[in-house]
Amino acid sequence: GQSLEQPSEVTAVEGAIVQINCTYQTSGFYGLSWYQQHDGGAPTFLSYNALDGLEETGRFSSFLSRSDSYGYLLLQELQMKDSASYFCAVRSLSGSARQLTFGSGTQLTVLP
Amino acid sequence: GAGVSQSPSNKVTEKGKDVELRCDPISGHTALYWYRQRLGQGLEFLIYFQGNSAPDKSGLPSDRFSAERTGESVSTLTIQRTQQEDSAVYLCASGPGQGPDTQYFGPGTRLTVL
Repeated sequence: GQSLEQPSEVTAVEGAIVQINCTYQTSGFYGLSWYQQHDGGAPTFLSYNALDGLEETGRFSSFLSRSDSYGYLLLQELQMKDSASYFCAVRSLSGSARQLTFGSGTQLTVLP
Repeated sequence: GAGVSQSPSNKVTEKGKDVELRCDPISGHTALYWYRQRLGQGLEFLIYFQGNSAPDKSGLPSDRFSAERTGESVSTLTIQRTQQEDSAVYLCASGPGQGPDTQYFGPGTRLTVL
């Protein structure tokens, strides 16, 4: 089966940089995605990595190392509005079925 | 165009009743997903539709859960003989089915089983 591990909570101050790690175990790996979810809201897509390396989108960057089954989300110049839950999700192929598995989420709290 | 919509936004039902949840995906999206999210928990994959292919039902927790999709449009998730542990937010997402596999989520249906 598939499993992902990410920290349950991270706290940082405004303007800081924070890294949220995600390790996964899966077969037939396709790619790793990151989603943001504010309290009471729906998840919104942040980034996707299918190949090794760093993908940058504004203040957010995501990294993937397929050999290490590891990725991270990097948030720079933190703002209060970045307080939310962040989920990593791995897409894999199991038999003939595509599977999508989400981690349990990391609650990021940004302090003033 | 419009984003993913779901109805109802809230549903309160009695244990043992059947419920039907609806999802309207973004027009042109061939992929559609259903997830369950219990309070304070992550997203639990339920079922995945891709075009006219057979759906991936591997995440459905029991035979009380079923889902249908008409072509590349509306999908309904049906839960029969609801139990209290079915209480959760049920999220639907759609995607283009190719490329970076981005999923666009609807606002969810909050189901409460009394």
